[in-house]
Amino acid sequence: AQSVTQPDIHITVSEGASLELRCNYSYGATPYLFWYVQSPGQGLQLLLKYFSGDTLVQGIKGFEAEFKRSQSSFNLRKPSVHWSDAAEYFCAVFFPGYGNKLVFGAGTILRVKS
Amino acid sequence: GAVVSQHPSRVICKSGTSVKIECRSLDFQATTMFWYRQFPKQSLMLMATSNEGSKATYEQGVEKDKFLINHASLTLSTLTVTSAHPEDSSFYICSARDASGVFYEQYFGPGTRLTVT
Repeated sequence: AQSVTQPDIHITVSEGASLELRCNYSYGATPYLFWYVQSPGQGLQLLLKYFSGDTLVQGIKGFEAEFKRSQSSFNLRKPSVHWSDAAEYFCAVFFPGYGNKLVFGAGTILRVKS
Repeated sequence: GAVVSQHPSRVICKSGTSVKIECRSLDFQATTMFWYRQFPKQSLMLMATSNEGSKATYEQGVEKDKFLINHASLTLSTLTVTSAHPEDSSFYICSARDASGVFYEQYFGPGTRLTVT
């Protein structure tokens, strides 16, 4: 069955350090890929998305993500984390032809230490 | 563009009463809207898909008689939680698909925090 995995429930990084949040999916073809950020008590904000083309996509707030077909991954990265990046991050995947629904990963909570 | 609003943002109701949550697409027409539920420290779970002018499609395990969904226009979908109980307390988020956009992209509302006392 189609699934989305975010293996890290919590990640703590120092302010100014680099960040990588992992996302893997299970699907036989190329899906449509999204990363969202959610601050406590707030809704979702779209960081970036991948539909086709260049596998390295740039998003808002200095985030980028790389789609690797061979690894079925879409990892989110940021070269230098700011304290305001502390939030929960969700990878979401749309699997065409399988209910046409957006499936969310479990989320990764990012803590930033000063 | 592509803004989705939800009303109310927070609601507290007594056990046994019903509460209605509205989801509106402000600057586009949405033939399809989605309702998600998010428990504390958990991910979003799709509850149902609503299509304008037709009955909603509920995910397995979601009680359709408890969570009534109406999508009466191209810009409005409502979720009514009937006979609410404390276990219905949750964060409800809607999203909408732009009728003139791509089928795999959705725009999310800010969410509604429901507390049942």
